[in-house]
Amino acid sequence: GEDVEQSLFLSVREGDSSVINCTYTDSSSTYLYWYKQEPGAGLQLLTYIFSNMDMKQDQRLTVLLNKKDKHLSLRIADTQTGDSAIYFCAERGDSSYKLIFGSGTRLLVRP
Amino acid sequence: EPEVTQTPSHQVTQMGQEVILRCVPISNHLYFYWYRQILGQKVEFLVSFYNNEISEKSEIFDDQFSVERPDGSNFTLKIRSTKLEDSAMYFCASSDLGGFRETQYFGPGTRLLVL
Repeated sequence: GEDVEQSLFLSVREGDSSVINCTYTDSSSTYLYWYKQEPGAGLQLLTYIFSNMDMKQDQRLTVLLNKKDKHLSLRIADTQTGDSAIYFCAERGDSSYKLIFGSGTRLLVRP
Repeated sequence: EPEVTQTPSHQVTQMGQEVILRCVPISNHLYFYWYRQILGQKVEFLVSFYNNEISEKSEIFDDQFSVERPDGSNFTLKIRSTKLEDSAMYFCASSDLGGFRETQYFGPGTRLLVL
């Protein structure tokens, strides 16, 4: 079945770049998303990319998609302490509205 | 900025009791969803709802679950007879467009604890 995998934890120093990786199995994935969850809060949509794109940039965020390897990454430039949160990768196929989520990557930004 | 809201933020109930979780989606959105996240596990899709009917549901969404849009603003999830394993964070989401460019916006969640 469909599956999305992420590494569980990433620690970076403030000001460095963070790269969070995600792999997925569904070759029909058409839409891929990154959500951020801060403690006690809901899932905040950060950015998304469609499968016909390789890259999308949005201010400090860069999403890279390697469709051949089914690999998605989120790069956060100049990481700040406020970026500390759990980041979820999610995918959706063309024939369904349900999002399939990864386990989330906990990003810790050290001062 | 418009947002999805959910009430209550926390609910504690006894096993076998009925609970209703409430959501107010973003006002011009037409598609509505429920997801849940059991502690330590992935966020899982439960159900999607469009045009006053269920458009898709997962295996989790059995006869104990139901959804309703009782008026123009609320979207509810009812669990008829709660089980211990229903303890989870329940997220409501909504989106404005189907298909291309469909992005789901999530509420803050309701943490349900079944004792």
